[in-house]
Amino acid sequence: DIQMTQSPSTLSASVGDRVTITCRASQSIRSWLAWYQQKPGKAPKLLISKASSLESGVPSRFSGSGSGTEFTLTISSLQPDDFATYYCQQYNSFLKWSFGQGTTVEVK
Amino acid sequence: QVQVVESGGGVVQPGKSLRLSCAASGFTFSNHGMNWVRQAPGKGLEWVAIIWFDGSQKYYADSVKGRFTISRDNSNNALFLQMNSLRAEDTALYYCARIGQNGAFDMWGQGTLVTVSS
Repeated sequence: DIQMTQSPSTLSASVGDRVTITCRASQSIRSWLAWYQQKPGKAPKLLISKASSLESGVPSRFSGSGSGTEFTLTISSLQPDDFATYYCQQYNSFLKWSFGQGTTVEVK
Repeated sequence: QVQVVESGGGVVQPGKSLRLSCAASGFTFSNHGMNWVRQAPGKGLEWVAIIWFDGSQKYYADSVKGRFTISRDNSNNALFLQMNSLRAEDTALYYCARIGQNGAFDMWGQGTLVTVSS
């Protein structure tokens, strides 16, 4: 099975900061990676698919990059609405999908 | 309104069964693969099962294989998860999620809570 490891687990930041979250796969997943945002008590929301494709309606301050085994989610200028937990997900293996353990972006 | 809505959760004793449902509306349900994803209290997301758009293929996480069965009724725009031999570790919020154009899960319901406890 493909394991997904996110770092850091928790990130303390301030409004206006540039934030980067890393996701590493245990084997190559090409570009089959998605990023989700989840707020407390809410369902996850898809932000980025295919490693770098921004979903419709998602602010352009969010961006994704990477391929193979290393990926990043960047928020160029953190906004109050962005404090949440972020998950990466691989869908290269069409038998077993898997998520990273999550990264919580909290107020510094 | 384009949405999926889960139902059927509740409190159940270990070893018992429960059937979850997911009602889809506002989109062509039969064009999309569908998933169940769960989240234990205070924990991360765990993919549970997937079913192809036409029901022809189904895959499961190792943690539920042999106990859970995913199915769908395209004529009624519904997704199901039959859960048997439930364990305490199956306690979670269960989400129904649609597979979008790029293969990621582009639509999620609000979830239905399953609690396995004696």
